[in-house]
Amino acid sequence: DSGVTQTPKHLITATGQRVTLRCSPRSGDLSVYWYQQSLDQGLQFLIQYYNGEERAKGNILERFSAQQFPDLHSELNLSSLELGDSALYFCASSELAGNGELFFGEGSRLTVL
Amino acid sequence: SQELEQSPQSLIVQEGKNLTINCTSSKTLYGLYWYKQKYGEGLIFLMMLQKGGEEKSHEKITAKLDEKKQQSSLHITASQPSHAGIYLCGAGNQFYFGTGTSLTVIP
Repeated sequence: DSGVTQTPKHLITATGQRVTLRCSPRSGDLSVYWYQQSLDQGLQFLIQYYNGEERAKGNILERFSAQQFPDLHSELNLSSLELGDSALYFCASSELAGNGELFFGEGSRLTVL
Repeated sequence: SQELEQSPQSLIVQEGKNLTINCTSSKTLYGLYWYKQKYGEGLIFLMMLQKGGEEKSHEKITAKLDEKKQQSSLHITASQPSHAGIYLCGAGNQFYFGTGTSLTVIP
């Protein structure tokens, strides 16, 4: 158990819909990362937050947004969903903003029909 | 951006055999991370290498970093079924990950 909790574990929805994925980082960790993993794209970095502030942005689509709340949990919002958004979405946390071990959650598997 | 290419893409070995996985970067490596992922699960941290020539070991897994070659290798000695999974290398503040190497160990 990494200490990182992601909900929901599985989600099935239709194209055009909006979903919210939630992540609770490991106790004491200030930094949260979001990744998307698909068979054809591999593990892609989406966005990083540190202590409530956006720290770095990767290949995150404009239809996607995220935020980190004062209690340090984070949410990833995916809107106007397309078939290609079907993937495993991971949240990871770390104590620091830079280099260091990441603790990954079990992921949220999104299926868009 | 930074691209990390792993080879081989997949590997099937007999239990007890040694194996090596390579990770080659398109840019200079200032740090390299190795993670293991069981199918459909989250990644588990294995090792972090920060300096050229650095070598680290954990149980039967050894990783090395060759900054000049922009490459890292992961070596497993006397493989066991518990080593099966997908191995990924990460770099660039862990914003970039390799394509992954799928390892199957046959008992």
